[in-house]
Order: sequence, then C-alpha cells, then structure tokens
Amino acid sequence: ETGVTQTPRHLVMGMTNKKSLKCEQHLGHNAMYWYKQSAKKPLELMFVYNFKEQTENNSVPSRFSPECPNSSHLFLHLHTLQPEDSALYLCASSQEDLGQPQHFGDGTRLSIL
Amino acid sequence: QKEVEQNSGPLSVPEGAIASLNCTYSDRVSQSFFWYRQYSGKSPELIMSIYSNGDKEDGRFTAQLNKASQYVSLLIRDSQPSDSATYLCAVGLMDSSYKLIFGSGTRLLVRP
Repeated sequence: ETGVTQTPRHLVMGMTNKKSLKCEQHLGHNAMYWYKQSAKKPLELMFVYNFKEQTENNSVPSRFSPECPNSSHLFLHLHTLQPEDSALYLCASSQEDLGQPQHFGDGTRLSIL
Repeated sequence: QKEVEQNSGPLSVPEGAIASLNCTYSDRVSQSFFWYRQYSGKSPELIMSIYSNGDKEDGRFTAQLNKASQYVSLLIRDSQPSDSATYLCAVGLMDSSYKLIFGSGTRLLVRP
C-alpha cells in the first residue's frame, strides 16, 4: 500500500446512524487533515492533526468527531448527521513543515438519507 | 478571512493550445503555492509547487508567481483532452497550524 488510503469509498446512512470513516497514510508524514468537498464549493478544512494532536477544529459541528491514534491513522466518527452533510470527505497528509504540499486520499462519498 | 480566488470557468480551449489558469490570494505573507488537478469524482492530485517569484516549468506545465501582485498562474502547453479537469489553486498559510487554503477551482475543457 502506498499513499493515502480511505475507506469506505462510498457510504449511505440514515440520520440516526453512527458510522466511521478511516484514513491511513503510508508516506511517513506527521500531519493529517480532514476536508469536506460539496458541489460547487471550495474544499473546506475540518480538522488538522500534527503528531497526533489536534491543532485545528474549523468550527465543525459536534456530530463530526475526529480521532487520531497515531501519525498514520485518522478517523472521522459520524453520528446524527443531516442531509446537508452529504459530500465528499477527503483525508490528506503532509510533513508538518512550512511549505509542504498535502497528498490526498481518494475520498469517501457520503450520502445522508 | 484568508481567501483564494479563481474563475470557476469553464475555460474551453482547443487541443494543442495553451491553457492559462489564474489565481489571486489575499494573504501577503503566504510563501507556498500549489496547483492541484481534480478529475470528476476523483481526489485532488498535486501537479505543481512554487515558492519564489518567477516561472517554474515541469513538462507541459509552467507555474508563475508574482508575490507583489498576489497572483499565481498555471500554463498548460499543448493542451490535451486528458487535461480536462478542475484545477485547484492552494496557498500555504501559517495560522494556529500550517494549512492550505484552496480556491474553488477552474474547470478546464480541452476540445479535440
């Protein structure tokens, strides 16, 4: 496995369900990110983790709960989501140095019924 | 509010032409700039990084940076239909943590 891997690729869930998105990076990076991408809107940064510590929560509703057990793994726990939460959720990683680019996983396409 | 602005397009060019994609940003202290390509239904893919004023060439791609004007562009020479995608401009910013601010992207269509 190389790069950034996200599972599942597609997820359909009801508003009362609880599910988790998983991200794993094989690049030796120490920073990981969650983004939301909705149609016709810019990428929205949700959370940033550096060396497993959360350094940014971009005013994300509490129905999204991130978890970073180590520098290679990142989860996004979902509960009681709303229809407007339907979007593509992207995980990225980078070296925590100024000026480094981010590398993205393939994303999870989430649909809330 | 730090912003990155791009024309949403679509920018339509014939095959073999030069496609010019533009981006402006609001944060004067930004030092790192990136172009990503995103095919429909896929994730963004890094294609160019640029850090200093001037041009940087990589194959058919040239990134241009003008920090005084807060402007970064991407030129694609000899455009191919396979270049049809959305191109995202991203600017590095140090806030509570280092992060990238993305523009909304320019959709490029290369006509055969």
